[in-house]
Amino acid sequence: AQTVTQSQPEMSVQEAETVTLSCTYDTSESDYYLFWYKQPPSRQMILVIRQEAYKQQNATENRFSVNFQKAAKSFSLKISDSQLGDAAMYFCAYIATNKLIFGTGTLLAVQP
Amino acid sequence: DAGITQSPRHKVTETGTPVTLRCHQTENHRYMYWYRQDPGHGLRLIHYSYGVKDTDKGEVSDGYSVSRSKTEDFLLTLESATSSQTSVYFCAIRMTSDSDTQYFGPGTRLTVL
Repeated sequence: AQTVTQSQPEMSVQEAETVTLSCTYDTSESDYYLFWYKQPPSRQMILVIRQEAYKQQNATENRFSVNFQKAAKSFSLKISDSQLGDAAMYFCAYIATNKLIFGTGTLLAVQP
Repeated sequence: DAGITQSPRHKVTETGTPVTLRCHQTENHRYMYWYRQDPGHGLRLIHYSYGVKDTDKGEVSDGYSVSRSKTEDFLLTLESATSSQTSVYFCAIRMTSDSDTQYFGPGTRLTVL
């Protein structure tokens, strides 16, 4: 079965600190895409970062970066210099056979 | 902004009534999706479309039907709403030119009493 697991339902970080959100997935495919989405209280789903599985280099977008371990099927998100606006629900997802499979999310709180 | 709108944004209805949610896109994307979001489940795929009149089921399709008569519109219908269909519904488009990234509409909160 194709699944995505986020084992941390909630996390907290101090403003300006770094936090890492975990994600593991299960797939038999060799080529796929992985994503992190952010959902703030406004409910809008916002793409944070994406990774192509065939690329060994970890993706980076400003303060957001990933640690992609293909063999371990792990795709964690690191947020550096956390800001109050980073407080949100974060979803890990990957696309397989036209369908985006989501994890259950990690709720991130940012403490001032 | 992928030019996706959903209507209505909020709806309250009663059990047994039919409900139709509309997703509209302005950029001629081939793939469109309907998801529902419930606490503890993340987003789950209901149905998707890969072209006009071409649709397929997702993991939670029971009780839902879809139609796509035009590229820009993807309709989700609850033929007879039940309380278990109270949820937030998201529409998405897939950009095949952008690493297959899906971009989402603002969501519709549906309450079935």
